[in-house]
Amino acid sequence: EAGVAQSPRYKIIEKRQSVAFWCNPISGHATLYWYQQILGQGPKLLIQFQNNGVVDDSQLPKDRFSAERLKGVDSTLKIQPAKLEDSAVYLCASSLTGTGMRETQYFGPGTRLLVL
Amino acid sequence: QKEVEQNSGPLSVPEGAIASLNCTYSDRGSQSFFWYRQYSGKSPELIMFIYSNGDKEDGRFTAQLNKASQYVSLLIRDSQPSDSATYLCAVNIRDYKLSFGAGTTVTVRA
Repeated sequence: EAGVAQSPRYKIIEKRQSVAFWCNPISGHATLYWYQQILGQGPKLLIQFQNNGVVDDSQLPKDRFSAERLKGVDSTLKIQPAKLEDSAVYLCASSLTGTGMRETQYFGPGTRLLVL
Repeated sequence: QKEVEQNSGPLSVPEGAIASLNCTYSDRGSQSFFWYRQYSGKSPELIMFIYSNGDKEDGRFTAQLNKASQYVSLLIRDSQPSDSATYLCAVNIRDYKLSFGAGTTVTVRA
């Protein structure tokens, strides 16, 4: 079974530029998550999709971050304009239904972003 | 108060020893608890989950849960150099969301 795929793996941009990340979840998984992991910290949930609808985006900085999941499969996370504090690893995860308290989330390899 | 707190590291143990990792959580209604291992530069991978009070063993790993004390721990027996990683405690806090601790970095000395 293929895992969660993400691209690009690394990205270096200058502040105020824009950047986009792509995620393809495990086939058949209804729920997709985007996390931000700053060095030395645990992952922080940015947004959660259930199929192609947003379940939770309470911690997404909506003035600069946006995300979409068209057709309930692939997802794109965008930052525009980027700030220095956005330097982090952006992790995508998926789970089968997203409605089980005991459900496992599977993580992709992440995109490492450096904003100069 | 942070939702999930882990004992600060780094934790250095000799090969063959037991590594003990601790985690506390603030939401008394939490029901599911997960331990993820994250190698440097890699993504988190699930190694253990526990839902009921008591101990759960899986190979060299034992998870312990005490809901009354809002405490969950992970023991790594017979530690190997390949166990050197950051261990993240994650708690299913509400609405099926996971809240992660900052992680404890373990180094196993050969």
